[in-house]
Amino acid sequence: DIQMTQSPSSLSASVGDRVTITCRASQGITNYLAWYQQKPGKVPKLLIYTASTLQSGVPSRFSGSGSGTAFTLTISSLQPDDVATYYCQSYFSAPSIFTFGPGTKVDIK
Amino acid sequence: QVQLVQSGAEVKKPGASVKVSCKASGYTFASYDINWVRQATGQGLEWMGWMNPTSGNTGYAQKFQGRVTMTRNTAISTAYMELNSLRSEDTAVYYCTRGRQPLLYYDFDYWGQGTLVTVSS
Repeated sequence: DIQMTQSPSSLSASVGDRVTITCRASQGITNYLAWYQQKPGKVPKLLIYTASTLQSGVPSRFSGSGSGTAFTLTISSLQPDDVATYYCQSYFSAPSIFTFGPGTKVDIK
Repeated sequence: QVQLVQSGAEVKKPGASVKVSCKASGYTFASYDINWVRQATGQGLEWMGWMNPTSGNTGYAQKFQGRVTMTRNTAISTAYMELNSLRSEDTAVYYCTRGRQPLLYYDFDYWGQGTLVTVSS
């Protein structure tokens, strides 16, 4: 099975800071990588799919990059509304398997 | 607008079964797979499996094989997830979620509001 790791597990940054979260897959997944934002008590929200495509309606301060086994989610200028836990999620075929990373909790300093 | 509306909270005893429903609206139910994801309190997201509403075909995470069944009723655009032999570790919020694209997808765009299942003696 594919294992997903994320780093850091949590971070605290100031409003306006650039924030980067890393996600690694235990084997290559080409660009089948998505990022979700989950605010406390809320449902997960799709931010980015196929590693770098911004979901409709998501602010442009969010961006994603990477391929193969290493991926990043970047928030270019952290806002108070971005306080949440961020999860990466991979897809692997034959058979279809979806795996979530453990999450990265983002707070405002 | 696309909506996935799930059934209400459940309290079950260990060893029992639970069946959660997920009613879809705002799109053609048969065109998009429904997946189920769960989240224990304070924990991360865990994918359980997928179901194709057209064929009824399913695929389950290895951890849940033999204990989970995903079905649908296309007449009422509703998907179901049944989990058997419940134990305390199954206490979690269960979400249904839609594959982002028909046929071939790699992620999920719309999510139900979640159903809390509590397993306690």
